[in-house]
Amino acid sequence: EAGVTQFPSHSVIEKGQTVTLRCDPISGHDNLYWYRRVMGKEIKFLLHFVKESKQDESGMPNNRFLAERTGGTYSTLKVQPAELEDSGVYFCASKGIGDSYEQYFGSGTRLTVT
Amino acid sequence: GNSVTQMEGPVTLSEEAFLTINCTYTATGYPSLFWYVQYPGEGLQLLLKATKADDKGSNKGFEATYRKETTSFHLEKGSVQVSDSAVYFCALSDPGQNFVFGPGTRLSVLP
Repeated sequence: EAGVTQFPSHSVIEKGQTVTLRCDPISGHDNLYWYRRVMGKEIKFLLHFVKESKQDESGMPNNRFLAERTGGTYSTLKVQPAELEDSGVYFCASKGIGDSYEQYFGSGTRLTVT
Repeated sequence: GNSVTQMEGPVTLSEEAFLTINCTYTATGYPSLFWYVQYPGEGLQLLLKATKADDKGSNKGFEATYRKETTSFHLEKGSVQVSDSAVYFCALSDPGQNFVFGPGTRLSVLP
C-alpha cells in the first residue's frame, strides 16, 4: 500500500512568487492534515480536511495560504505571494476513519523562500 | 492550550550508549502521547505511543512510559546504533483533536 506522497520534495522560490504543494493521502483516508515546521521549531498544525470539507483551519497563518481538496482525494496548499518567513518543511498526514489517533505522515516538502 | 516541551539538541552519542530524550507536556484533558521519528530524507514515522497513564510504549528497543504525576513521556533506549540517528519528536493528541508536537531533538550516533 502506498504511503502519503508529497511533492515536490524541495522548492526554492523568490519572495513574492507563488508555490503550490501537493499531497496524496493513503487511498481511502478521509482525513487529511497539513502541518509545517519553521526554522527548526516545533511542527505546527495548519488545517484538517474531512473528505473535501475543511474541518479545522485554525492554524492557517494568514490569507496568503490557500488549501484545497477537490473531490476529497489529493490536496494542494498554495502560498501566494510567498514571504521569507514561509520557509520551512510542510508535512501532510492522513488518517482513516478507524484510526483513532494515528496519522500517517509524508516525507514533507522543504520550501525555501529567498 | 496543550503544549509539549522536549530537551534541546543536538544529542551526540557513541554507539551502544544509553539514550534518554526528555519530554514533558501540558494538557487540559487526558491526551495520548507519542514519539515520532524522522530519518534522513524520510517522512515522520510513529515510533511508539501510550494512550493512558502508566502505559509503556515500546518499539525497536525504544521505550517511554506515560507518567501523569510528572506529566512526562521520556524516550529511552539502552544501546543506540548508528541507524538510530534521526530527529525525534514528542507529541500529544486528545481524541479527535490535532497533534501538538515538541520542537524535535536531533540525535547523532557515532560509530
